Amino acid sequence: DTGVSQDPRHKITKRGQNVTFRCDPISEHNRLYWYRQTLGQGPEFLTYFQNEAQLEKSRLLSDRFSAERPKGSFSTLEIQRTEQGDSAMYLCASSTTRGRNSYNEQFFGPGTRLTVL
Amino acid sequence: KNQVEQSPQSLIILEGKNCTLQCNYTVSPFSNLRWYKQDTGRGPVSLTIMTFSENTKSNGRYTATLDADTKQSSLHITASQLSDSASYICVVSPPNDYKLSFGAGTTVTVRA
Repeated sequence: DTGVSQDPRHKITKRGQNVTFRCDPISEHNRLYWYRQTLGQGPEFLTYFQNEAQLEKSRLLSDRFSAERPKGSFSTLEIQRTEQGDSAMYLCASSTTRGRNSYNEQFFGPGTRLTVL
Repeated sequence: KNQVEQSPQSLIILEGKNCTLQCNYTVSPFSNLRWYKQDTGRGPVSLTIMTFSENTKSNGRYTATLDADTKQSSLHITASQLSDSASYICVVSPPNDYKLSFGAGTTVTVRA
């Protein structure tokens, strides 16, 4: 499967615990994005990387959230001291600025569903 | 205020019938408008992408239209199938930018 993959698909944790999600983008896609989606809403932008550089972070990304893409391939999103309000679907997407992708089309992964008890 | 508004919020249709979903946006300027299908518990999958100069784009039984003057788009589903049950999200992309603006989606339920 050459699509975007995310792990785990589901995570249940207790309030105050730390969690880490992983995203593997489509091979050779240089851009990687993280979104958060709550029930009945569209995805909200959190942050994005071009290669290993994190170029923008949304105000939604509090200091409890950190994302990395150390080698410009996979990325991790860590949430420290989780709160019940962090419960959501966390989506990863990737795209490429190379070639003929004039639409900068983003391809989404299946998401990680986080439930904070 | 969200820059992409979708209506209706949800709808139920019988298998085989047609339906039309609406999207109004205020994002300006914009590069392209996309419709995504999102099955429950899954990530969004692209159905159509239109630039500001395109009026219509089809993908099988899905047909999207765009009126850049009125900033409106619609997605028409023809001869609906049970597998069309999903959330349909309208997404607007500004030029040369990664920051997509998402609508809240329309939840479509197709019943036998």
